Amino acid sequence: QKEVEQNSGPLSVPEGAIASLNCTYSDRVSQSFFWYRQYSGKSPELIMSIYSNGDKEDGRFTAQLNKASQYVSLLIRDSQPSDSATYLCAVYSGAGSYQLTFGKGTKLSVIP
Amino acid sequence: DADVTQTPRNRITKTGKRIMLECSQTKGHDRMYWYRQDPGLGLRLIYYSFDVKDINKGEISDGYSVSRQAQAKFSLSLESAIPNQTALYFCATSDLIGTSTDTQYFGPGTRLTVL
Repeated sequence: QKEVEQNSGPLSVPEGAIASLNCTYSDRVSQSFFWYRQYSGKSPELIMSIYSNGDKEDGRFTAQLNKASQYVSLLIRDSQPSDSATYLCAVYSGAGSYQLTFGKGTKLSVIP
Repeated sequence: DADVTQTPRNRITKTGKRIMLECSQTKGHDRMYWYRQDPGLGLRLIYYSFDVKDINKGEISDGYSVSRQAQAKFSLSLESAIPNQTALYFCATSDLIGTSTDTQYFGPGTRLTVL
């Protein structure tokens, strides 16, 4: 059973601060990792994808991957109230799995 | 126009009724998926299809069936709806680019209530 674990939150940060969201996964052969943002009642929206160990930056967002520790994180710099949403970590194993396994999400609240 | 559309967006029905949720996409993707989302349980895969002739069960397929009418259309049916199928349902598509990328794009969702 492939598992993706996230703290459910809520995680509260002040406006302008760095928000740090964490995710661990159980399948050691996982290949691709995704962060989705989901506003209440809306569909998940892809923010970042990462495939190799290290950091990947896109604007205010940085994804970090450590395959040895089976850990992936998302940093949001200069957090804005509009970043308040639930963030879903998703892991794709490939290797015959062909399924994306989602964590239950971390709810982020950015306080003005 | 949206790349992935779902109809209906909201549906209230009664126990025992047959319900069909439809998904259409203009992204040209071969792969399509149906998920349900429940509070506290996250997104769970119901069925997925890699092409018109390929249908696969996901994590929670019991009580559901699907039909892939064309590359662009993938329907989810509840043959006899029950209250615990009340949830938010999402269709998604993806196109395999290489061996390590499979980004999924989601439709707007259908909120289904079974009374």
